[in-house]
Amino acid sequence: TQLLEQSPQFLSIQEGENLTVYCNSSSVFSSLQWYRQEPGEGPVLLVTVVTGGEVKKLKRLTFQFGDARKDSSLHITAAQPGDTGLYLCAGAGLGGGADGLTFGKGTHLIIQP
Amino acid sequence: DSGVTQTPKHLITATGQRVTLRCSPRSGDLSVYWYQQSLDQGLQFLIQYYNGEERAKGNILERFSAQQFPDLHSELNLSSLELGDSALYFCASSVDGAGMTDTQYFGPGTRLTVL
Repeated sequence: TQLLEQSPQFLSIQEGENLTVYCNSSSVFSSLQWYRQEPGEGPVLLVTVVTGGEVKKLKRLTFQFGDARKDSSLHITAAQPGDTGLYLCAGAGLGGGADGLTFGKGTHLIIQP
Repeated sequence: DSGVTQTPKHLITATGQRVTLRCSPRSGDLSVYWYQQSLDQGLQFLIQYYNGEERAKGNILERFSAQQFPDLHSELNLSSLELGDSALYFCASSVDGAGMTDTQYFGPGTRLTVL
């Protein structure tokens, strides 16, 4: 069973600060996705990374896929209250999707004004 | 609004009972996925259907079953319910579901409470 560990589990910071959350596994993934989930809603896809070492930027969010495709990070610059939410990483295994997506338990992020 | 609809939004039932959760995918999407989200286990993949056929299976209990109908809507049936089945159940859909990198659009979920 492939597992994804996310850290930190909870993070509360002030508006304007920078932060990084991590997603780690001992398994190799063919691709990795980051989602954000707000209370009472389903997760919304932010980005998919496929190539080891890949870096993608989405405005103030920077996503990186590890060289060995076992880990990923999400860095937020100048966090805003609208960034508050549950951030989930999800990996697709090397079995062509036969096992579905594996999700981490998430990082609960609170940005205080 | 993702375009994926789920009914009902809330469901309260008793142990031992059977319930059916319904999902309508986005227009044009052929794949439907079911997930269970609980505080202790997080979001777990249950099962995927593509154009009416089962494509991938995850941590789905034998008490649970699903199907996708010709009009592409899907139902998740949960039977002999236990307290531990209380969770949020999400449906997601995607265009073709190939390789799990296809963008999945999640519905708002059904909150199941088993008393």
